[in-house]
Amino acid sequence: GAVVSQHPSRVICKSGTSVKIECRSLDFQATTMFWYRQFPKKSLMLMATSNEGSKATYEQGVEKDKFLINHASLTLSTLTVTSAHPEDSSFYICSASPTGANVLTFGAGSRLTVL
Amino acid sequence: GDSVTQMEGPVTLSEEAFLTINCTYTATGYPSLFWYVQYPGEGLQLLLKATKADDKGSNKGFEATYRKETTSFHLEKGSVQVSDSAVYFCALTKYGNNRLAFGKGNQVVVIP
Repeated sequence: GAVVSQHPSRVICKSGTSVKIECRSLDFQATTMFWYRQFPKKSLMLMATSNEGSKATYEQGVEKDKFLINHASLTLSTLTVTSAHPEDSSFYICSASPTGANVLTFGAGSRLTVL
Repeated sequence: GDSVTQMEGPVTLSEEAFLTINCTYTATGYPSLFWYVQYPGEGLQLLLKATKADDKGSNKGFEATYRKETTSFHLEKGSVQVSDSAVYFCALTKYGNNRLAFGKGNQVVVIP
């Protein structure tokens, strides 16, 4: 079945540094990937839609310059949290579906802790 | 905007008990409705779905019926097992574009 891998699964960084999280579709190609943020005891919030070969589409209220998304190939999307601060600490989850399909596969998530 | 509301708080129950998790939605048009499950340390997995009113989704003993009149999609299982311990998310999408709106999720703990 379709597998989505996220790396790293956990990352701790100092305030002010940037952190990159990768989302890979291992056995299928994905024109579109989605990035979610999950707060403690809260729902998953869609941050942006990552589009291969073009700019990401951000949801209202999500800072584009803070959360940089790059979808350079059909199997890889990256989320870079720039100049991270403690309030950016969260669980980030990506999802993807094979091009043309309507079934999403989710990664296991990446826990970011900013000190 | 479109939204999903799940009942508050974790759910703790004994093995073989009946499980219900309430989910209601607010959306214009005709959304598709989903239940996702997240086992510890794993990604979200699609549990079941329904794409139109009165459809019943079912999988692994879980069921949910799309009720347009009450805008609900409650999840039920007649006899839970310890292995059903997980977080369950209700979600909706429109336009078939995979942009999901999630509820807050419910932690379910099944004790032997």
